[in-house]
Amino acid sequence: AQTVTQSQPEMSVQEAETVTLSCTYDTSESDYYLFWYKQPPSRQMILVIRQEAYKQQNATENRFSVNFQKAAKSFSLKISDSQLGDAAMYFCAYRSKDNDMRFGAGTRLTVKP
Amino acid sequence: GAGVSQSPSNKVTEKGKDVELRCDPISGHTALYWYRQSLGQGLEFLIYFQGNSAPDKSGLPSDRFSAERTGGSVSTLTIQRTQQEDSAVYLCASSQNSGPDTQYFGPGTRLTVL
Repeated sequence: AQTVTQSQPEMSVQEAETVTLSCTYDTSESDYYLFWYKQPPSRQMILVIRQEAYKQQNATENRFSVNFQKAAKSFSLKISDSQLGDAAMYFCAYRSKDNDMRFGAGTRLTVKP
Repeated sequence: GAGVSQSPSNKVTEKGKDVELRCDPISGHTALYWYRQSLGQGLEFLIYFQGNSAPDKSGLPSDRFSAERTGGSVSTLTIQRTQQEDSAVYLCASSQNSGPDTQYFGPGTRLTVL
């Protein structure tokens, strides 16, 4: 079974600085999808960024980018120019081709003004 | 357009009672997913529908849990004889198709079993 590990239960960053959230996963498959979701106190899960495993190029979405290392099964999220509104729980997720979706336990990000 | 909606937003029930949680997916989305999120935890997959059929029921934690989807749209998650360990936030998500399509989440239903 696929597992997703987020080794940082909590992280903090100064406003305008950069922070990297770690995620590793375990799979025997070669084709899959990876996601980062943000969950603010409102509980609404919001997609931040996604990556197809067959793509070598790292995905970017404005201030958010990933470092996808397929061989190492690592999928970290970098948030640049952190803003107060970035404070939330961040979940890394793995999805197989047959729709098996697994989430990590989450990292709580605090942004200090 | 409208996003995924769930009702009720909060539900408090007594141990042993049955509860029904409702999910309205985004119009036109064929795939629908239910997850459970316990306090301070990540998401636990429960069940997934493609249209009205549920090819994967492996995540349902016990036979007290069931789900159905009618008309390829609204889904209901039913928990019978609720237990205190069922207390959690139940999240629903939908996607246009199964496979790689992005899942869009509803706001969740917070279930508290006293």
